[in-house]
Parts: sequence; structure tokens; C-alpha cells
Amino acid sequence: DAKTTQPTSMDCAEGRAANLPCNHSTISGNEYVYWYRQIHSQGPQYIIHGLKNNETNEMASLIITEDRKSSTLILPHATLRDTAVYYCIVLYGNKLVFGAGTILRVKS
Amino acid sequence: DAGVTQSPTHLIKTRGQQVTLRCSPKSGHDTVSWYQQALGQGPQFIFQYYEEEERQRGNFPDRFSGHQFPNYSSELNVNALLLGDSALYLCASSLARLSTDTQYFGPGTRLTVL
Repeated sequence: DAKTTQPTSMDCAEGRAANLPCNHSTISGNEYVYWYRQIHSQGPQYIIHGLKNNETNEMASLIITEDRKSSTLILPHATLRDTAVYYCIVLYGNKLVFGAGTILRVKS
Repeated sequence: DAGVTQSPTHLIKTRGQQVTLRCSPKSGHDTVSWYQQALGQGPQFIFQYYEEEERQRGNFPDRFSGHQFPNYSSELNVNALLLGDSALYLCASSLARLSTDTQYFGPGTRLTVL
């Protein structure tokens, strides 16, 4: 299973952009990078995914490096409700392999 | 459009008992995956069902079994419960024909084994 590495925790000021990095140096050419987040004891929420191009939706932007070995999730204007555990996942076959994720704390 | 639903919300059982958890997928989805999330850890893949058959399985013992019905809903059964089975059980649904196969999660069932 492709392994991802994320910082354990990050802080972000409310209203500022939150940039969450992820390393996935063993990713294969046809494997997608997915981001989910989980707010305390709720089910994980899908945020965004990508293969090689940068992606943007109403929640976030995903920047994938050209060699695909790392990516960054950007929440453009973080709010207190964005405080959660953020998981960077490489989709392996049909299963999501979750790591420990990054605890993002948005502070006022 | 209803998302993924799970029942019950909470459940308390004793060691050795059996439990059945239920999941209804998002409208239009045909694939259901189950995950176990112990306290303080990320979710761990149990298995996935498609066309009423188990398509892929994670590293879980045979005490964990499942079923998918013709309407795509699914059940997770756990026999001979152990204290270590206490966890949040998550169901996720997806559409098999999409190559990206995005999985959408339900709210989970919190199982406590005493």
C-alpha cells in the first residue's frame, strides 16, 4: 500500500489559508490522491482528489507536484468549523488506507 | 438526496455476543465498504461488497462477515465479540463504474463491548 506522511498537527488563524502538506513518494502512476477530513467522532468527509493536475472545488484546492511525490491541500479561508483531522490517502485498489492524519486547529 | 445512513447509532454488547450493523448507501451507489475506527486511530478497511459479493478484504478475522442485498444495502456481522472490537464502525458507499471510485461515509455506529 502506498504510504503517506503528514505532520501530526498544525495551527491556522481564522480567515487565513491553511496549507496541509502530504508526502507520498511511493505512489504509482495511476493511483489517485484523496483528502478526507473527520470532525470529532463523525464519519470522514470527502474533500477532494486528484491524479496529476491541480484540482479545485468549493471546499479546497489540491496542488500535486509534477513528480507526484507530494501534494498540498489548501483551505483558502479557514474557519473554526474547519478544525478537524485531515487525512491524505493514496487510493490502493478499492480500499482507502488511512494514516494518522494531521490535526488542524483553526484559532480565532 | 439522502446520503449514507447507518443504524443503530450506538450499541452496547457484552463479550461473546454477536452484533449486526446496517448500512444504506447513497442513492445511485452500488458498492459498500466497511471500516473499523478504534479510538484515536484512523479507520481500518474491513471489506467491500459489490454485486452482493465480497470483493476485497482487509486484515480482519473471520468473525467479521458481511452481506449485501439486491437493493445495495449492507450488513456487517461480528461474532464472538471481544473487548477490542469496541470501535466506531463506518460504512462508505461508491459507484463501481467510476474509475475514481470516491467513497462517501456515513456517520458510523459506535459499538461498545463490555
